[in-house]
Amino acid sequence: SQQGEEDPQALSIQEGENATMNCSYKTSINNLQWYRQNSGRGLVHLILIRSNEREKHSGRLRVTLDTSKKSSSLLITASRAADTASYFCATDSSNSGYALNFGKGTSLLVTP
Amino acid sequence: DGGITQSPKYLFRKEGQNVTLSCEQNLNHDAMYWYRQDPGQGLRLIYYSQIVNDFQKGDIAEGYSVSREKKESFPLTVTSAQKNPTAFYLCASSVSGGVAEQFFGPGTRLTVL
Repeated sequence: SQQGEEDPQALSIQEGENATMNCSYKTSINNLQWYRQNSGRGLVHLILIRSNEREKHSGRLRVTLDTSKKSSSLLITASRAADTASYFCATDSSNSGYALNFGKGTSLLVTP
Repeated sequence: DGGITQSPKYLFRKEGQNVTLSCEQNLNHDAMYWYRQDPGQGLRLIYYSQIVNDFQKGDIAEGYSVSREKKESFPLTVTSAQKNPTAFYLCASSVSGGVAEQFFGPGTRLTVL
């Protein structure tokens, strides 16, 4: 079942600008992950944040998690054209072998 | 070179035929998963396996079948009972069930003619 919902559905920015995507979910989680998908390809893991963490950084990525609001945000700083992709948040589900529940994704377009 | 592979990349099938999608990993991962992705949508879980010789249905298992005879392999069969099989199929693996990132294959695009 799809638990995460990303917002916005689509985002268009220029190179150098920051991109912020949001994810909301419905039930308690153990962790939340963000993945990236280039068109027609498999997904690539970006970052994982545990339920007891509030913020995490990885290179130009910054993820926050607010479990009281059941929401997370992904910030990509100083965007590049190569960041153009779809971004998905995924929450785990302990009752399905920790298979992931994915949202519909945010489609990011970064123009030169 | 470790990774997860899927074959074929593109698959065409006539209505009424069963087809099998291959998924192989050499990451020594215990857990493997099959997801389906439709245009503009997220991924939906078809089947998952936490250990060899064991697998469980996901959210949309009807019309699909799997086997897990070897740790490295988790093939998915799309049967004729699947009413709308045209989609992008993604296989993934993880070290084990639990807090772990999943590694995805490149996907198989299945089209029913």
